Amino acid sequence: DAGVIQSPRHEVTEMGQEVTLRCKPISGHNSLFWYRQTMMRGLELLIYFNNNVPIDDSGMPEDRFSAKMPNASFSTLKIQPSEPRDSAVYFCASSTGQGGYYEQYFGPGTRLTVT
Amino acid sequence: AQKVTQAQTEISVVEKEDVTLDCVYETRDTTYYLFWYKQPPSGELVFLIRRNSFDEQNEISGRYSWNFQKSTSSFNFTITASQVVDSAVYFCALSEPSNSGYALNFGKGTSLLVTP
Repeated sequence: DAGVIQSPRHEVTEMGQEVTLRCKPISGHNSLFWYRQTMMRGLELLIYFNNNVPIDDSGMPEDRFSAKMPNASFSTLKIQPSEPRDSAVYFCASSTGQGGYYEQYFGPGTRLTVT
Repeated sequence: AQKVTQAQTEISVVEKEDVTLDCVYETRDTTYYLFWYKQPPSGELVFLIRRNSFDEQNEISGRYSWNFQKSTSSFNFTITASQVVDSAVYFCALSEPSNSGYALNFGKGTSLLVTP
C-alpha cells in the first residue's frame, strides 16, 4: 500500500515567490496534519483537518500561510509570499481517526529552501 | 511551555553498547498517548511505538524496550546491543485530547550516533 505522498521532495525558491506543497494522505484516512521541522523550533503542528475540514489552524505562523483540503485525497499548503525564515522541512501526516489511539503516518517531507 | 522534554541532545555510543533515551512529559489529561518516532539520516519519520496512559506495562520489541512510569511522567526508550543502523534522531511525542485533534506534541529529539 502507498504511504503518505508529498510533492515536491525538494523546493528551492526565491524570496517573494509563491510556494505550494502537496500531500496525498493514505486512502481511507480522515485526519490530516501538516507539521514543520526547523532546527530552532523542532517539529511543530501547523494545521489539522478532519474529514476535509480545517479544525485548528492556530499553528499557522501568519497570513502568508494557507492550507486547503478540497477532497479526502489531496491537501495543499501554500506560502505567499515566501521568506527565508520559511526554510524548513514540511511534513504531512494522516491517520484513520481522530484521537491519540490512531497512529499518524508521515510522508517523506518537503525540504523547502527560500533564498 | 515544553510538554515533552528530551534532556539528552546528543548521545554517542560504541556498537553493542546499551543506550537509554530519556523522555519526560507533562499533561493534565487523564487519557493521553505517548509515542516514539525515529528519524534516520534520510529524513522520514518512522513510527516505533504507541502507549496509552492506562497501560503502564513495559514493552519489548527485539532490541528495543520501553519503560513507561506515570509516577515520574517518563517514557524512556532503551536500545540493547546498539548497532550502527540505530544512528538517528529519536523523538518522543505526546498526544492528548486538549491538543488539537490529538496532534502530536514532539520533544526536541535526541541524536544518537553509534560508531563501529
